[in-house]
Amino acid sequence: GNSVTQMEGPVTLSEEAFLTINCTYTATGYPSLFWYVQYPGEGLQLLLKATKADDKGSNKGFEATYRKETTSFHLEKGSVQVSDSAVYFCALTASGTYKYIFGTGTRLKVLA
Amino acid sequence: EAGVTQFPSHSVIEKGQTVTLRCDPISGHDNLYWYRRVMGKEIKFLLHFVKESKQDESGMPNNRFLAERTGGTYSTLKVQPAELEDSGVYFCASSPAGLSHPEQYFGPGTRLTVT
Repeated sequence: GNSVTQMEGPVTLSEEAFLTINCTYTATGYPSLFWYVQYPGEGLQLLLKATKADDKGSNKGFEATYRKETTSFHLEKGSVQVSDSAVYFCALTASGTYKYIFGTGTRLKVLA
Repeated sequence: EAGVTQFPSHSVIEKGQTVTLRCDPISGHDNLYWYRRVMGKEIKFLLHFVKESKQDESGMPNNRFLAERTGGTYSTLKVQPAELEDSGVYFCASSPAGLSHPEQYFGPGTRLTVT
């Protein structure tokens, strides 16, 4: 079946450090891929998405590239800020379907 | 434009009691979804409405859970009777009609604690 595997957290970084959160997936066909972020006390917000292979999603300095050959969608940011502290979720929707399949979430803590 | 809203934000009930969660989607969104995150695990799909019809309820854990979307606007999710393992955060999401915009817009969630 379809699944998403996300790196375990928590991840603790100093401000301005480079961030990578790994996400790999298993899915038939060509899924759409997403990163959502949940800031403390808030709901899930769409951070970025990619709907076909080699697409790069980007937003707020975050980037992720849809890699079909490695079935990956790793989240990166060149220089994190304290305000990036949150839980990050990788998710997919399989071709022709609506429901999301989520990873377990990765908590990021950025220290000043 | 108002986002997805959920009520209550937090509910604490005893085992065996009934709880009803409410979700108001973004106006005009035909698709409405319920998800649940239990004990820090992954967020799991519960069901999907298209307007007032249940399109997919494959994620509903058992018949103690009943979801409705009368009139195709807001939705309720009732748990009766609640069990300890029902504790978690229940998220509602909505999206416009069709698959051309696959992204879903989430509410803040309802944290349910069953004691």
